[in-house]
Amino acid sequence: GENVEQHPSTLSVQEGDSAVIKCTYSDSASNYFPWYKQELGKRPQLIIDIRSNVGEKKDQRIAVTLNKTAKHFSLHITETQPEDSAVYFCAPSGNEKLTFGTGTRLTIIP
Amino acid sequence: ETGVTQTPRHLVMGMTNKKSLKCEQHLGHNAMYWYKQSAKKPLELMFVYNFKEQTENNSVPSRFSPECPNSSHLFLHLHTLQPEDSALYLCASSQDFGFSETQYFGPGTRLLVL
Repeated sequence: GENVEQHPSTLSVQEGDSAVIKCTYSDSASNYFPWYKQELGKRPQLIIDIRSNVGEKKDQRIAVTLNKTAKHFSLHITETQPEDSAVYFCAPSGNEKLTFGTGTRLTIIP
Repeated sequence: ETGVTQTPRHLVMGMTNKKSLKCEQHLGHNAMYWYKQSAKKPLELMFVYNFKEQTENNSVPSRFSPECPNSSHLFLHLHTLQPEDSALYLCASSQDFGFSETQYFGPGTRLLVL
């Protein structure tokens, strides 16, 4: 089956600094690379995604970069704010499979 | 916040009880999913329905029984559960069936089995 790993598992960042979370996967058939954010006690919600024909996508302070050759994609958050504190999940998927990573707990230190 | 709703939000049940979880989506989506979220484990996909037809069952024990009467409603019937089944059960929907579709999650039902 698909092997998905997220690093780091926990991350503490000073408010205003940047945060980067990396997701590695094993299935070369994966063609959709989303990131979900789950705040404490709330539902997971998509924050950004990328398809396999694009290398980078940006939405304000959030960006995702994809390296299909190396089978990894990363979430970049710049100018972090307290409301960015949450657990972030990657979920690389293809036509036959969807696998979530174990999550990264991001804490923004005021 | 009202796109996908789940009831109840919290449930405590004994191992001999029978209960049902309900999910409703108001997004006009065609596919619905049940996930299990346990502490320190990845989200586990349990069942997938496409146009109310089950297309995926990820080796889930038979004590979990899904039902999808139409593309807007999804149930998870529970019976003779075990304490290790305690978890957050999340429902999700997507516009079309396919694992490359964005998942829209409900708020979840937090289940405790005693």
